[in-house]
Amino acid sequence: GQSLEQPSEVTAVEGAIVQINCTYQTSGFYGLSWYQQHDGGAPTFLSYNGLDGLEETGRFSSFLSRSDSYGYLLLQELQMKDSASYFCAVRGGGGNNRKLIWGLGTSLAVNP
Amino acid sequence: DTGVSQDPRHKITKRGQNVTFRCDPISEHNRLYWYRQTLGQGPEFLTYFQNEAQLEKSRLLSDRFSAERPKGSFSTLEIQRTEQGDSAMYLCASSLVRGQQGWSQPQHFGDGTRLSIL
Repeated sequence: GQSLEQPSEVTAVEGAIVQINCTYQTSGFYGLSWYQQHDGGAPTFLSYNGLDGLEETGRFSSFLSRSDSYGYLLLQELQMKDSASYFCAVRGGGGNNRKLIWGLGTSLAVNP
Repeated sequence: DTGVSQDPRHKITKRGQNVTFRCDPISEHNRLYWYRQTLGQGPEFLTYFQNEAQLEKSRLLSDRFSAERPKGSFSTLEIQRTEQGDSAMYLCASSLVRGQQGWSQPQHFGDGTRLSIL
């Protein structure tokens, strides 16, 4: 089967750094994406890793290790507005299987 | 760029009725995706289009579900003979894909249609 695992909840304080891990098990791998979703809102794209290493976009960074089937999202200088759910999503499968497989999401609560 | 828009935002209907949702993607985007999301879960892939061609359907998409994108622009998702288990948020997303870069391109989501089956 194909699955993604990420923590269900993370709590942190303003200004802190938090890391959200994602491990995946898929038949075939074609990249790891991260999305943010506020309550009642639409998912919004944060980052994509197709190759091993770190991608940095402002306060957010994402890392991928394909040999470990593992990635993480790093959020720095946390702000209250970062309170949201964060999803990792993998394009897995082979042949014509082009679907994105999503994790269950990590609910991040940023406290003052 | 007016973003992805979905209509209606909310739909309440009785079990057994048919419902149809509409999605207008970002105008120059050639790929359009439909997802379903329930509380506490990640989006669940249903189907996607490249221009007007429906290239993949999830096994989760029963015969009661049908999607179209007749002119490669807007898309509709119809659910026939709705059941309680169809209650969910139905999300549409679009992306612009060139060549082989497909799945690295961000998907832009609409605000969704929340379906409630009584």
